[in-house]
Amino acid sequence: NAGVTQTPKFQVLKTGQSMTLQCAQDMNHNSMYWYRQDPGMGLRLIYYSASEGTTDKGEVPNGYNVSRLNKREFSLRLESAAPSQTSVYFCASSQDRQETQYFGPGTRLLVL
Amino acid sequence: KQEVTQIPAALSVPEGENLVLNCSFTDSAIYNLQWFRQDPGKGLTSLLLIQSSQREQTSGRLNASLDKSSGRSTLYIAASQPGDSATYLCAVLIKAAGNKLTFGGGTRVLVKP
Repeated sequence: NAGVTQTPKFQVLKTGQSMTLQCAQDMNHNSMYWYRQDPGMGLRLIYYSASEGTTDKGEVPNGYNVSRLNKREFSLRLESAAPSQTSVYFCASSQDRQETQYFGPGTRLLVL
Repeated sequence: KQEVTQIPAALSVPEGENLVLNCSFTDSAIYNLQWFRQDPGKGLTSLLLIQSSQREQTSGRLNASLDKSSGRSTLYIAASQPGDSATYLCAVLIKAAGNKLTFGGGTRVLVKP
């Protein structure tokens, strides 16, 4: 099993550019999540999807949008990137919200 | 607001010594507590999940305890090996605010051969 996969692995953007981070899981999980990890701030939840067809804001949703395309895929979009969005982004999934979360390898994003 | 703290931030031990990692949280209304491992430049790997009704959970050389009343969890790693070098994060799933995981800052562990 591939588990949770994320693309791209690395990305450099200029301020104002847009991009979409892709995430897919092959474990038939219901819930999916997007986190960002920053030095000194730890991991913070951006958005989550408790089940197919639903999305909810996490702790730091401003500047992001998400789409739960189907049960497997959950994408994160930056419409107009800002330097403050330079971070490592992790996607995760779990069978349900109260179960163990499984993480992808991360996307390292640099916004200049 | 739930706060999760891990002290110390970094720890260095000789190979073979037992590791003791601490996690404290401020709100005892949790569903569960999870311990993760993160290697440099990698994602998180789940190690153990303790439900709020449990006192401890074991997997191989790992043992995690949970004391909800005092807001503490401890991860024990027996007979540490250089391969145990990594950052260890704890996270609590809180009942309020939509069952979201709140993470501690992590403890960076170095096991010296």
